[in-house]
Amino acid sequence: AQSVSQHNHHVILSEAASLELGCNYSYGGTVNLFWYVQYPGQHLQLLLKYFSGDPLVKGIKGFEAEFIKSKFSFNLRKPSVQWSDTAEYFCAVRMDTGRRALTFGSGTRLQVQP
Amino acid sequence: DAGVTQSPTHLIKTRGQQVTLRCSPKSGHDTVSWYQQALGQGPQFIFQYYEEEERQRGNFPDRFSGHQFPNYSSELNVNALLLGDSALYLCASSRRGLAGGRYEQYFGPGTRLTVT
Repeated sequence: AQSVSQHNHHVILSEAASLELGCNYSYGGTVNLFWYVQYPGQHLQLLLKYFSGDPLVKGIKGFEAEFIKSKFSFNLRKPSVQWSDTAEYFCAVRMDTGRRALTFGSGTRLQVQP
Repeated sequence: DAGVTQSPTHLIKTRGQQVTLRCSPKSGHDTVSWYQQALGQGPQFIFQYYEEEERQRGNFPDRFSGHQFPNYSSELNVNALLLGDSALYLCASSRRGLAGGRYEQYFGPGTRLTVT
């Protein structure tokens, strides 16, 4: 079955540290890729998305992600995290244009210490 | 411009009861998807409605059913509630018809269902 894996379940960083969260999916066809963030007490918000073209995509709040097709990966990065980045991060994949649902990873809880 | 809204915010039900959750999509959106998010997990797709019909369904039993109204709002119904149905139920809306599936889904705040 198609799946999305987020290997880091809980990450603790100090402010100004660099962040990279891993996301891998298992599907050989065309994909649309997303990262969502869920701040404490808030709803899921889209951070960034990839549909086609430049595999390095930039999102809101200084986040970026790189799609590496050969590795089936879409890792999220930020050069310098802030305390306000403390949240849960979800990678999501739409496997093909025929199936419009999103398949989510289990999430990574990021805790940034001041 | 209102985003996706859901009601109620919280709900407590007893095992065996039935529940109805409601969702109003973002303005300009015509497609509604429902997801279940158990504690500590990512959202799981339940089903999607477009043009008042269920178009796709995830791996959920028939106890989960839905409806979409002409104004694009939607309901999720769960019958014969089980303890395991306790979760955050998320509604997401989008605009169907964009070429190549290049659209994003906007999520509501969710309804927290507790089954006792």
